Amino acid sequence: AQSVTQLDSQVPVFEEAPVELRCNYSSSVSVYLFWYVQYPNQGLQLLLKYLSGSTLVESINGFEAEFNKSQTSFHLRKPSVHISDTAEYFCAVSQAGGTSYGKLTFGQGTILTVHP
Amino acid sequence: KAGVTQTPRYLIKTRGQQVTLSCSPISGHRSVSWYQQTPGQGLQFLFEYFSETQRNKGNFPGRFSGRQFSNSRSEMNVSTLELGDSALYLCASSLEGQGQETQYFGPGTRLLVL
Repeated sequence: AQSVTQLDSQVPVFEEAPVELRCNYSSSVSVYLFWYVQYPNQGLQLLLKYLSGSTLVESINGFEAEFNKSQTSFHLRKPSVHISDTAEYFCAVSQAGGTSYGKLTFGQGTILTVHP
Repeated sequence: KAGVTQTPRYLIKTRGQQVTLSCSPISGHRSVSWYQQTPGQGLQFLFEYFSETQRNKGNFPGRFSGRQFSNSRSEMNVSTLELGDSALYLCASSLEGQGQETQYFGPGTRLLVL
């Protein structure tokens, strides 16, 4: 079984400032890692994912996350945030291999609020 | 390609009733997963269907059930509704084969039980 801990429930930040949303996971098997974003009254949108290979993954809108196996972390960062980044962010894991791809385990979410 | 669609988007039911929610996956996707999102419990996995068979199941009571049709569309049913079933129900689909690990979510069905 896997578990995910998002260390901050809320993160306020000023526009154009850098931000880091922290995610730690626990698993006895290899995992895939994901970050999803949810805007009010909407579903989840995939932001980025780590499956294998380079431990640093990037999204098209400037976010990046680094997989750290020794610290079992997958923190999300952005060097300069915009008002439009205000949303709730979810870190998730699934078991790598087997037939459990369809089961994601989510963290409790981090609400990012960007202030002007 | 059209995204995952869910119908209806909003529902109001009373305790004891039953409800059926529908999900149409992205064209070509054969796996469909369902999740419940509540403020208290967060996002929780309900079940996953692939090729009309339930492949994975979460820790929900038997009142929660689902099925998948030959065209990969899926429905979930909740019988004998309780107040605590009020939630956003999200459906996600994924490919089989390369890309199967990535799930794409629909907008959700918001269920209110009175």
